[in-house]
Amino acid sequence: ETGVTQTPRHLVMGMTNKKSLKCEQHLGHNAMYWYKQSAKKPLELMFVYSLEERVENNSVPSRFSPECPNSSHLFLHLHTLQPEDSALYLCASSQGGKGEKLFFGSGTQLSVL
Amino acid sequence: EDQVTQSPEALRLQEGESSSLNCSYTVSGLRGLFWYRQDPGKGPEFLFTLYSAGEEKEKERLKATLTKKESFLHITAPKPEDSATYLCAVQLYNTDKLIFGTGTRLQVFP
Repeated sequence: ETGVTQTPRHLVMGMTNKKSLKCEQHLGHNAMYWYKQSAKKPLELMFVYSLEERVENNSVPSRFSPECPNSSHLFLHLHTLQPEDSALYLCASSQGGKGEKLFFGSGTQLSVL
Repeated sequence: EDQVTQSPEALRLQEGESSSLNCSYTVSGLRGLFWYRQDPGKGPEFLFTLYSAGEEKEKERLKATLTKKESFLHITAPKPEDSATYLCAVQLYNTDKLIFGTGTRLQVFP
């Protein structure tokens, strides 16, 4: 596989569930990102990992917990989410951790019931 | 406050009807301006980076330009396959933070 792949593509969960989103990049990049995309809102940066170290956490609620075990994999662990957390969650990677020329995955469409 | 505004929100064009999308910004300092294309059900795909006023970049039917206050994405003789949402993002000079606009949804009809 090439590029950035995200699984699952769609996820429906209840507010008491625990689930994880997975992202894998095959580009040899050293930085990975989680973004949230809601309808009619700008993309919101959630987390940045550079060389497997978290370098940014944009005041994201603790019910979202990122994990970056190596430079190719990124996870977003979800627990006790709220309906307003329903959105498209996008993973991206770049060469360098400063947000330049991002390569995005296709996203996970999350619905919280 | 740093801000990026895209207009129009939506644009419908006949095939072959050229037009421009606008991205205006008010930021403390610009490191770069990015254009991305996003198809339904997919993540954004990188198109261009512009770094200084007067710079232009071209790719097929698309041309991006930059001034000190705004960027334009000109679409010449568009085709239905150009239909997508076009996103603009500004990278701040002092923090490297990326600020995205809300996008312009373009529909091109045959």
